[in-house]
Amino acid sequence: AQSVSQHNHHVILSEAASLELGCNYSYGGTVNLFWYVQYPGQHLQLLLKYFSGDPLVKGIKGFEAEFIKSKFSFNLRKPSVQWSDTAEYFCAVNALDYKLSFGAGTTVTVRA
Amino acid sequence: DSGVTQTPKHLITATGQRVTLRCSPRSGDLSVYWYQQSLDQGLQFLIHYYNGEERAKGNILERFSAQQFPDLHSELNLSSLELGDSALYFCASSLPRAPYEQYFGPGTRLTVT
Repeated sequence: AQSVSQHNHHVILSEAASLELGCNYSYGGTVNLFWYVQYPGQHLQLLLKYFSGDPLVKGIKGFEAEFIKSKFSFNLRKPSVQWSDTAEYFCAVNALDYKLSFGAGTTVTVRA
Repeated sequence: DSGVTQTPKHLITATGQRVTLRCSPRSGDLSVYWYQQSLDQGLQFLIHYYNGEERAKGNILERFSAQQFPDLHSELNLSSLELGDSALYFCASSLPRAPYEQYFGPGTRLTVT
């Protein structure tokens, strides 16, 4: 079974700072990788996804993520955050069985 | 708005009771997934239905059951409720040609008192 770990539980940063959230997964086979965002009081929204091809993927709202197969990692980045990026971010993995396995989530607080 | 709808938004009930949560997938999506989000367990996959048939089960308790109807909406039934069942229950759906890409509904917040 696959498992997902997110390195940071809570990240606090100022507007215009750069953000990087770590995600590692454990699964030996082919996986699909996702980052979801959950704004306060809202549902999960898909930020970006990786299935195959270019390991650097771009998503919505200026986010990008890099898949490094040798490190089993899929880190999320944003060069300059805004106050509106305050949310909880979840890394997720699925394999052949379609179910998503989520990390514990990282709460990001952006101070104005 | 993902196009996935869930009702009710909030549900408050007592221990020992039974509730039904409802989900309508996006138009064209044949798959429905149920997830539970709680403070101690995080986001956990419960069950997957595809075009009316159960496809996979995750950490779903025996007190919980689900079904998907011919019109593709799904219901999650939770019975003999316990305090620990208090959580956000999300439904997600996906297209047949993109089964790995799931879109989530707004969730139902269940509070068991």
